[in-house]
Amino acid sequence: DTGVSQDPRHKITKRGQNVTFRCDPISEHNRLYWYRQTLGQGPEFLTYFQNEAQLEKSRLLSDRFSAERPKGSFSTLEIQRTEQGDSAMYLCASSPQGADTQYFGPGTRLTVL
Amino acid sequence: GEDVEQSLFLSVREGDSSVINCTYTDSSSTYLYWYKQEPGAGLQLLTYIFSNMDMKQDQRLTVLLNKKDKHLSLRIADTQTGDSAIYFCAVRKSGQNFVFGPGTRLSVLP
Repeated sequence: DTGVSQDPRHKITKRGQNVTFRCDPISEHNRLYWYRQTLGQGPEFLTYFQNEAQLEKSRLLSDRFSAERPKGSFSTLEIQRTEQGDSAMYLCASSPQGADTQYFGPGTRLTVL
Repeated sequence: GEDVEQSLFLSVREGDSSVINCTYTDSSSTYLYWYKQEPGAGLQLLTYIFSNMDMKQDQRLTVLLNKKDKHLSLRIADTQTGDSAIYFCAVRKSGQNFVFGPGTRLSVLP
């Protein structure tokens, strides 16, 4: 299967710790998106990359959050000094250039104790 | 900003049709999407419609768009137990910012 993959699938951490998540998009998809989904809500847009360039960032992405896509392939999302309010499912999606659709990965569920 | 609303719950009997509704606020939305999410899984794209269309059919799925009322619906014919999931409406304006509704939890009763 060559869908979007995310690692880890689950992460439990203590408040104040840093965490990093990885997303591997579908091969040759040059667009990559990060979303956050809390219980009972739809996904909320965080940020978007086209190749290695981060082109859009939501106001939800506080200065504790940073995302990178250094070679235009996989991406990482880091949360520094985690807070309990960061507990959520973090979803990654990708799409090819010119397409109007996104393909989602299974998500990383973060629990901050 | 864009606001997307959906009713939160829907129950239907197996074999009946399901209709899931969505309203949005921004008339400049260009593409409108329906996604399905099963427990513990990511979102699966079901279908989408461009804003200059008013209907799209794909096997058991029919999407209706009323641009005047900013209303989108998804009809699932012959609903099966495997259709039980959360269904998200999403809209996209310009750029790559997709806005999702809160999701409708569909329960299919035997």
